[in-house]
Amino acid sequence: DVKVTQSSRYLVKRTGEKVFLECVQDMDHENMFWYRQDPGLGLRLIYFSYDVKMKEKGDIPEGYSVSREKKERFSLILESASTNQTSMYLCASGGRGGTTDTQYFGPGTRLTVL
Amino acid sequence: QQQVKQSPQSLIVQKGGISIINCAYENTAFDYFPWYQQFPGKGPALLIAIRPDVSEKKEGRFTISFNKSAKQFSLHIMDSQPGDSATYFCAASMIGKSTFGDGTTLTVKP
Repeated sequence: DVKVTQSSRYLVKRTGEKVFLECVQDMDHENMFWYRQDPGLGLRLIYFSYDVKMKEKGDIPEGYSVSREKKERFSLILESASTNQTSMYLCASGGRGGTTDTQYFGPGTRLTVL
Repeated sequence: QQQVKQSPQSLIVQKGGISIINCAYENTAFDYFPWYQQFPGKGPALLIAIRPDVSEKKEGRFTISFNKSAKQFSLHIMDSQPGDSATYFCAASMIGKSTFGDGTTLTVKP
């Protein structure tokens, strides 16, 4: 069965802290994605990766960075968390390098920045 | 610039009725149009998808209608059930990336 796991379901951090969100997939997918989901705004793409050590900016990359050292793992980093980064963060994986395909989502991490 | 516009934002339907959610896109380079269903506390999951070489795809009670010339596609849920109550997202994809609509919250009343 397809599985995308995220390191935490709920996270509370303070302004200025460095935050790591981790995502692991077990489907050997080359493509991995990080989205944030806010009410009324749908899913907005932060960063994506088509292969190990490869990353591309999405629509809202400001304030975020990513790391992909292994094929199955894609990490989202908030270098200095701010209150406007309070959101639901969703990781997804799907398909081979640049091909359009179904995306499989993790359960999400609800991050609150105080 | 919003490339995928989804409507309505919310929808209330009686059990047994038809639910219809519409999406419009701008970029003709999109080549894959999935619909995702999301229940509270869960990540979105693929419901049904279509590629632009067909005008309709049906899977059980769920149908996608696709109008390439109008750059529109819609999800029809026949015989809607309370268990269908969820948030639905349309998406348009190309080169591995997906652009999502803002979502529709569907409530099916028993």
